[in-house]
Amino acid sequence: QLQLQESGPGLVKASETLSLSCTVSGGSINTASYYWGWIRQPPGKGLEWIGSIFYNGYTQYNPSLKSRVTMSIATSKNQFSLKLTSVTAADTALYYCARSTWYFDSWGQGTLVPVSS
Amino acid sequence: QSVLTQPPSVSAAPGQKVTISCFGGSSNLGKNYVSWYQQFPGMAPKLLMYENNKRPSGIPDRFSGSKSGTSATLGITGLQTGDEADYYCGTWDSSLNNFVFGTGSKVTVL
Repeated sequence: QLQLQESGPGLVKASETLSLSCTVSGGSINTASYYWGWIRQPPGKGLEWIGSIFYNGYTQYNPSLKSRVTMSIATSKNQFSLKLTSVTAADTALYYCARSTWYFDSWGQGTLVPVSS
Repeated sequence: QSVLTQPPSVSAAPGQKVTISCFGGSSNLGKNYVSWYQQFPGMAPKLLMYENNKRPSGIPDRFSGSKSGTSATLGITGLQTGDEADYYCGTWDSSLNNFVFGTGSKVTVL
């Protein structure tokens, strides 16, 4: 059974860079069958797609975040990562990693990242 | 502000049926498949429906999906208290080059 687990610092200071990793178990991320993505959810609000990455490093980013987002993939570690620069309080959210094709079929449990001023 | 609009809340008595609408446009629902996600408080979203009307393994047939033009609908029959959750639609927007989620709908069992 595929499992995804987010990891990263529990708190980020405003203007700094948010860095998260997602470790995948129960399946390989080195596959042309799926994308690997990040979705976030501010407390009490809806879902927002941040971006997705393919096994070969091809990325797609939400245009509204594109200037601040970098995603990478480490197939040898079965991990993929997210970096979001110049964070503000508006970036405080639950961050989920997920597997996708045209839909997101497996999700991590999410990690809350508060941004402190 | 999402390009997919859902009613904030829907409700019905146990055993009854609810439908959740998802309204979009020609560049998203008008062109691409819709998926639906169920989210309980404090939990990650879970895929409920994909490619408009396909249920992943383990999802009961009380849940159904459809799409017509630029709108989609999720139906839940035989409503149970365990169905109380937030529900989101989602699809790719070919103009924005962006996966978009709906605004979300809270289902309440009266």
